[in-house]
Amino acid sequence: GAVVSQHPSRVICKSGTSVKIECRSLDFQATTMFWYRQFPKQSLMLMATSNEGSKATYEQGVEKDKFLINHASLTLSTLTVTSAHPEDSSFYICSATLDRVSGNTIYFGEGSWLTVV
Amino acid sequence: GEDVEQSLFLSVREGDSSVINCTYTDSSSTYLYWYKQEPGAGLQLLTYIFSNMDMKQDQRLTVLLNKKDKHLSLRIADTQTGDSAIYFCAERYSSASKIIFGSGTRLSIRP
Repeated sequence: GAVVSQHPSRVICKSGTSVKIECRSLDFQATTMFWYRQFPKQSLMLMATSNEGSKATYEQGVEKDKFLINHASLTLSTLTVTSAHPEDSSFYICSATLDRVSGNTIYFGEGSWLTVV
Repeated sequence: GEDVEQSLFLSVREGDSSVINCTYTDSSSTYLYWYKQEPGAGLQLLTYIFSNMDMKQDQRLTVLLNKKDKHLSLRIADTQTGDSAIYFCAERYSSASKIIFGSGTRLSIRP
């Protein structure tokens, strides 16, 4: 079964509203979670790295005030797209890792499709 | 800099072998991955290889790593229609946990 769960899997929101996407690690505590974005027919681009209890580290070009990331516990990280616009429509996917060393313990969520109308 | 490159498309006949190639730039990459993404779905980890390995085989999948040339390949033997998907090569740096993805190779199977 899935070890990282994302919710919702699909969401449609109106332009100007905010939408929250949750990423939960199941059966393990994730010290680090990552948020990626994928435009249609393109690769996944890392948006930010989220460590529990501290501020997220955003990649260059990603607006931290628009994409709010909260990692309040070792099993939950949330991505909030604020004041969404149609260009924010995308596939958002999170991943979680147990530690910084072990390479094969990175798990991806199923992804969340966001459509802004 | 961080860069992972793949060709965008590959078409093979059903039953033949598929070879998807990937080049990367960071010689400090510790782990290299192959992910599969079917339409409308998330990522599925197919296999990974440590940088100190040259080859890894897992059933129909064979991964070859040429660290000198920073070249990674995924061979799928006896390609089936269910193998149609986008295949992403990815690398993970040794100094951080983030994974950098290639652009993905769309594999299509013809009868």
